[in-house]
Amino acid sequence: QQQVKQSPQSLIVQKGGIPIINCAYENTAFDYFPWYQQFPGKGPALLIAIRPDVSEKKEGRFTISFNKSAKQFSLHIMDSQPGDSATYFCAARVGGNAGNMLTFGGGTRLMVKP
Amino acid sequence: DTAVSQTPKYLVTQMGNDKSIKCEQNLGHDTMYWYKQDSKKFLKIMFSYNNKELIINETVPNRFSPKSPDKAHLNLHINSLELGDSAVYFCASSQSGGRVGYTFGSGTRLTVV
Repeated sequence: QQQVKQSPQSLIVQKGGIPIINCAYENTAFDYFPWYQQFPGKGPALLIAIRPDVSEKKEGRFTISFNKSAKQFSLHIMDSQPGDSATYFCAARVGGNAGNMLTFGGGTRLMVKP
Repeated sequence: DTAVSQTPKYLVTQMGNDKSIKCEQNLGHDTMYWYKQDSKKFLKIMFSYNNKELIINETVPNRFSPKSPDKAHLNLHINSLELGDSAVYFCASSQSGGRVGYTFGSGTRLTVV
């Protein structure tokens, strides 16, 4: 059972476009929602993260929008560049004594065309 | 300096063999993890250790055994390798007690032939 559902599986945009990746969850015990970026042959790297008491967080060209009532959150990449081509993962953490375990979405392969 | 380092980066071995993957972190984190990434890129938790103690053990075959000699190291030993074990295995670390992300290693690509 996948607790964090991510869509789309793949996405192609032109340079300068704004790709949007969406995630949905069911477990209301999740208290932390990071996004990771993974380049081929590398491990995932933390990109940006948000807490459920915040509706939006922006870091550079990356923005997370969070809708607690809908249990959905999304990543927007402004002015996308070919160098942003990578696989993106959303994730969610259960608070408390669950060992800080992250549950990942299925990933989105993004290609930004020049 | 690499924060989370895994060795080897590539591992090709025959079915039935036993192999180990090593992981070390120099971030001073108290929690370490093993994740398996399949061919469809899905990341699944296998084990989590906090201060050398196992705290999460997801449903993995008991052919997989993690060993943590100290909180900076978490090794993964796999017995009787099967074709289905072929995947990329990632080690990661984090600090407990707050909303913090993981730092991942660069992965070990295991191919069982």
